[in-house]
Amino acid sequence: AQSVTQLDSQVPVFEEAPVELRCNYSSSVSVYLFWYVQYPNQGLQLLLKYLSGSTLVKGINGFEAEFNKSQTSFHLRKPSVHISDTAEYFCAVSPAGTYKYIFGTGTRLKVLA
Amino acid sequence: NAGVTQTPKFRVLKTGQSMTLLCAQDMNHEYMYWYRQDPGMGLRLIHYSVGEGTTAKGEVPDGYNVSRLKKQNFLLGLESAAPSQTSVYFCASSSLSGGYNEQFFGPGTRLTVL
Repeated sequence: AQSVTQLDSQVPVFEEAPVELRCNYSSSVSVYLFWYVQYPNQGLQLLLKYLSGSTLVKGINGFEAEFNKSQTSFHLRKPSVHISDTAEYFCAVSPAGTYKYIFGTGTRLKVLA
Repeated sequence: NAGVTQTPKFRVLKTGQSMTLLCAQDMNHEYMYWYRQDPGMGLRLIHYSVGEGTTAKGEVPDGYNVSRLKKQNFLLGLESAAPSQTSVYFCASSSLSGGYNEQFFGPGTRLTVL
């Protein structure tokens, strides 16, 4: 079975500061990794995904994530956040070749002026 | 392309009433899913479908039924609504083209059961 852990339920950060949102997973099979963003009162939108190759993945809105196989982590980072980045962020894994999708419980990022 | 659409966007029910939520996708995806989102619990899978005419239970199926009579539509039914079903419901669809499963989400339905 697979599981996803997002240890930080809320992360407050000042505007223009860097941020890292943590995601750890466990799986006995190969997985693909995803980060989604959910703005208030909206659905989930894909930020970025790791399928294979380079462990540093760049996504939309200046976000990037690094896949670390030995630490089974896929942390999301942004060097300088904006007020508009205030949202909830979900990490998810999908075992290769399956319909399954396992979500973390989400991290609420609040960017302060 | 509209992507994934959900109807209705909001609904208020009284305990015991029934309703159906409609999800439609125009991406020719094989897989469709219904999730519920509750504070602090992330997204939990209610039911899913791997193709037209097939459905299966997810993590929290009790109190819900689904049908997928057409490939592009996935219906979620509540036969007798309970306050515990107050939640935001999301539909998603995906395919395995390229060997990986990237889910596309609808805008959600906010349901309140009084």
